[in-house]
Amino acid sequence: DAGVIQSPRHEVTEMGQEVTLRCKPISGHNSLFWYRQTMMRGLELLIYFNNNVPIDDSGMPEDRFSAKMPNASFSTLKIQPSEPRDSAVYFCASSSNVGTGELFFGEGSRLTVL
Amino acid sequence: GDSVTQMEGPVTLSEEAFLTINCTYTATGYPSLFWYVQYPGEGLQLLLKATKADDKGSNKGFEATYRKETTSFHLEKGSVQVSDSAVYFCALSDAPADNDMRFGAGTRLTVKP
Repeated sequence: DAGVIQSPRHEVTEMGQEVTLRCKPISGHNSLFWYRQTMMRGLELLIYFNNNVPIDDSGMPEDRFSAKMPNASFSTLKIQPSEPRDSAVYFCASSSNVGTGELFFGEGSRLTVL
Repeated sequence: GDSVTQMEGPVTLSEEAFLTINCTYTATGYPSLFWYVQYPGEGLQLLLKATKADDKGSNKGFEATYRKETTSFHLEKGSVQVSDSAVYFCALSDAPADNDMRFGAGTRLTVKP
């Protein structure tokens, strides 16, 4: 069974460029989460979707960040324009609505903005 | 709202030492409790869980008991190995009522040979 798949694994870009991170959740999972992890702030929830609908985006830092989930098997997190302070590891996770809410994480996308 | 507080560390132990990482929670309902582990360069993965009071979750020699009276879910292992070096996160979930998993700050464990 494939787990949560994220791409790219590593991205290095210059300040001002657009960055798009992608996530494929586990098939059959109804909820999808985007997290950001940094040394300074730890693990932060950015946004989560339930049945493709954004439920809570209060963690999205500012208007430069946007997330979409056009269908049950794909989500994107976009940063435009990117800034050096956006450098972090971005994790996608998914879970089933049935059960205890256990999250399954992808391996993360490490973003470096120069 | 619901929240989790865990011992932040870092924690450094010698191989075969006893490990305890404290975790307490605040919740209005009856959440499920989790410990996740993150090895270097990887995403978080579930280590163990407990879904109701007095349940004990266990995996890979790690244990944690859901204590409602003390609102705690402390992680323990009797004899740690170098391979246990990782960051450990305590978390709670009110799913299916609320799918938002609440994580603690994480505790970095380093085990030295």
